[in-house]
Amino acid sequence: SQKIEQNSEALNIQEGKTATLTCNYTNYSPAYLQWYRQDPGRGPVFLLLIRENEKEKRKERLKVTFDTTLKQSLFHITASQPADSATYLCALGDTGRRALTFGSGTRLQVQP
Amino acid sequence: GAVVSQHPSWVICKSGTSVKIECRSLDFQATTMFWYRQFPKQSLMLMATSNEGSKATYEQGVEKDKFLINHASLTLSTLTVTSAHPEDSSFYICSAMGYNEQFFGPGTRLTVL
Repeated sequence: SQKIEQNSEALNIQEGKTATLTCNYTNYSPAYLQWYRQDPGRGPVFLLLIRENEKEKRKERLKVTFDTTLKQSLFHITASQPADSATYLCALGDTGRRALTFGSGTRLQVQP
Repeated sequence: GAVVSQHPSWVICKSGTSVKIECRSLDFQATTMFWYRQFPKQSLMLMATSNEGSKATYEQGVEKDKFLINHASLTLSTLTVTSAHPEDSSFYICSAMGYNEQFFGPGTRLTVL
């Protein structure tokens, strides 16, 4: 069965450092992968989308990589700030079935 | 970006009652909306795909007679939890499909006593 794994342990880093979150998947060949931010008691907010034929995507302080051979995506936040503290979800999608399959998320805590 | 609203944002009800949750796309039309459920510290799990003007498609293990979905217009989908039980307590999130992107609502916290 399809499985998406994100580090369930919270990631604690110091302000100004780069946070790196991992998303691994098995038994899946997604057409694209998305990263979302979710704050407590709120719905997910879209951050970045990367397609299967793309290796890397950037948006301001965010960078996503996608390795379809390793079946892994890395999500980086550079110059992290306490306001970046949240849970980050990766989600996989394909062109046929437009619903997304989500990982369980990794909670990021940026210490001032 | 596109906005999706949900109403109510939270609801507390007694066991055995029914609860209706609305999902609206405010500034775009969505022929497809999705309903997800999220338990604490867990992933969003897709419950059903709601298509305007036709029956919803339910995921395996989701009771269609318990979770009634109606997508009567291009901007509104409703989820009714019938005969709610404490185990139905969860965070329900809808999303609406735009041209090439899903937009998520803020979620509805359901607590069944």
